[in-house]
Amino acid sequence: QSALTQPPSASGSPGQSVAISCTGASSDVGGYNSVSWYQQHPGKAPKLMIYEVSKRPSGVPDRFSASKSGNTASLTVSGLQAEDEADYYCASYAGGNNWVFGGGTKLTVL
Amino acid sequence: QVQLVESGGGVVQPGRSLRLSCAASGFTFSNYGMNWVRQAPGKGLEWVAIIWYDGSNKYYADSVKGRFTISRDNSKNTLYLQMNSLRAEDTAVYYCVTYRAGHYFDYWGQGTLVTVSS
Repeated sequence: QSALTQPPSASGSPGQSVAISCTGASSDVGGYNSVSWYQQHPGKAPKLMIYEVSKRPSGVPDRFSASKSGNTASLTVSGLQAEDEADYYCASYAGGNNWVFGGGTKLTVL
Repeated sequence: QVQLVESGGGVVQPGRSLRLSCAASGFTFSNYGMNWVRQAPGKGLEWVAIIWYDGSNKYYADSVKGRFTISRDNSKNTLYLQMNSLRAEDTAVYYCVTYRAGHYFDYWGQGTLVTVSS
């Protein structure tokens, strides 16, 4: 199972919005409403930010939103803040009891 | 609150074995599917294995199939990963992660580092 494709990096200034893409295939991203997103700060464990394509767990700011179109999912961070600087990973169920992650995107707040 | 504490990591020679443990607390462990997810140094996340809430089903990534075994003891609220025939490419931080029916991973432990090196 191939990893999902994410851009290695993204950046934006405080207050701006930035979108991170996650491209897969019809066998994973396109085939299931099971895309999730994780935030990871250096040296820390990942944290769930989005599940089932666009749902936010309790406690995640509504500045974080996500969507999916075809085989590509997107995470948007609005009103960027310094603490949003982190690595972001997408993940998707890939059928046959397999799960696949993206390669990760390093978000820099300029 | 939910706590997942991994242990058992360390330095091991190629071809040898290691068993990881994950002690769970703060939730009803026996109601949750559980996973191991790993992260090689400076690399991305890789799903490794999943076990159903009752241990009835187990599934593995192709990269570890036949070498790793996931198990659980619900009486001890503990998840395990038995790793045999270890290779250099198994070097990673291994995370214990809860699983939700919507195919996502919600709570993560802090991880334990496994280094496979001669």
